[in-house]
Amino acid sequence: GAGVSQSPSNKVTEKGKDVELRCDPISGHTALYWYRQSLGQGLEFLIYFQGNSAPDKSGLPSDRFSAERTGGSVSTLTIQRTQQEDSAVYLCASSGLWIRPSRGYGYTFGSGTRLTVV
Amino acid sequence: GQQLNQSPQSMFIQEGEDVSMNCTSSSIFNTWLWYKQDPGEGPVLLIALYKAGELTSNGRLTAQFGITRKDSFLNISASIPSDVGIYFCAGRSANTGNQFYFGTGTSLTVIP
Repeated sequence: GAGVSQSPSNKVTEKGKDVELRCDPISGHTALYWYRQSLGQGLEFLIYFQGNSAPDKSGLPSDRFSAERTGGSVSTLTIQRTQQEDSAVYLCASSGLWIRPSRGYGYTFGSGTRLTVV
Repeated sequence: GQQLNQSPQSMFIQEGEDVSMNCTSSSIFNTWLWYKQDPGEGPVLLIALYKAGELTSNGRLTAQFGITRKDSFLNISASIPSDVGIYFCAGRSANTGNQFYFGTGTSLTVIP
C-alpha cells in the first residue's frame, strides 16, 4: 500500500488477556520499528527489524512483549497477560535503505493502535 | 534506550506569533529529524538535517542542526491554528545505524 497500515486502530481488552497488533509496512521497506506512546509522553522504542538480521529487542519492557516479522513484511506485536500499564498507542514505522532523504521520506509512521486494558 | 531532551514541553501561543523549540542530546548525532503528530495520527516527517550548522526550511518551518552536533532547533513563523499538534525531534548517530531516538515532544496550542 501507499502507507504504513496498522490494525486494529483501537483495541479494548481485559487485564490478563493476550493481544496481537499488526503492522503492514510500505512495500519494499526493509526496516520496521515498533514504538509505544503513553498519554502525553514521547515515543518509547520497543523493537527494530532490519532485513534478515536478528531484531533489536532492547526496548521491549518485559518478557510479556514479543514481536515477529514474517517474510520480511508484515509484523505482529504480541502482548501476553496484558496489564493496565500496557495501555498506550502502539506505533509502527518503516523505512527503506537509508539514503539521504528528502522531505517526506525517512521513517513513515502508521496511525497507531490505541490499546486500552481495563 | 536513549531519549532526547526536548523543550519546552508545551506551548500556548496566539495565532501569528513565532514559535521556537529545541532538542538536546548527550551524544553527537549525524542526522536530526523533526516530526509533527496530529491528534489520532502517526508522526509525519517535516524536516531532515545532515550536518552541523545546516539550516533548512519547509514553508514557515525552519530547523537547524546545532554546531555542537548535540542539539537541534525548530522555529515556526507566523503560527496558524493548523500548527496545533505535538512536535518531535529525532536523532541518530553513527553507532545506531537506521535507528533513531526520539525526543519527549513539544505540545503546541495555537489560540485564534
